[in-house]
Amino acid sequence: QVQLQESGPGLVKPSETLSLTCTVSGGSISTYYWSWIRQPPGEGLEWIGYIYYSGSTNYNPSLKSRVTMSIDTSKNQFSLKLSSVTAADTAVYYCAREVAGSSYFDYWGQGTLVTVSS
Amino acid sequence: DIQLTQSPSFLSASVGDRVTITCRASQGISSYLAWYQQKPGKAPKLLIYAASTLQSGVPSRFSGSGSGTEFTLTISSLQPEDFATYYCQQHNGYPITFGQGTRLEIK
Repeated sequence: QVQLQESGPGLVKPSETLSLTCTVSGGSISTYYWSWIRQPPGEGLEWIGYIYYSGSTNYNPSLKSRVTMSIDTSKNQFSLKLSSVTAADTAVYYCAREVAGSSYFDYWGQGTLVTVSS
Repeated sequence: DIQLTQSPSFLSASVGDRVTITCRASQGISSYLAWYQQKPGKAPKLLIYAASTLQSGVPSRFSGSGSGTEFTLTISSLQPEDFATYYCQQHNGYPITFGQGTRLEIK
């Protein structure tokens, strides 16, 4: 059974960089697209972007200037960096597996709350 | 970006009821629509993809239909565990977008 687990700081200061890692277990990171999705408290879902196991990426234009994703296939991990954060970036961040070529999400991490505050 | 609008935003129903949630897309997306269920404090769970294909392990009381710009999620007989928030998501192209959610509560 594939499992995803997010990790990283739960508190980030304004203007700094949010960094999260997702560890994939129970399956290979290869041949899938791996996405980050966020959900502000009490609000809906926003797709941030994906990274393919080859390293190619696709980011949401609304966040593109601040997002960087990377992948380490040897560790079965992929990561998100979001720069110049503000309070508006406070959210639960999920990592998720995207069925290759289909763009929907069949496995999700449990989510991690990141709060932006000084 | 493709906008998805769900209706209603809030729905109150009883165990055993049949309920329908609608998702409308701002432009045609063929059958590239998925539905998720989210319970408080949990990640979304995939219920249906390609508008009408039931994800493995999802009870058959859930069904989806539609194509183009209008889609529906139907729960044929509500069970206590079905009270949750439901989201639609278009998987026709990038950026991927979600509907605003429909909160289903017990009457």
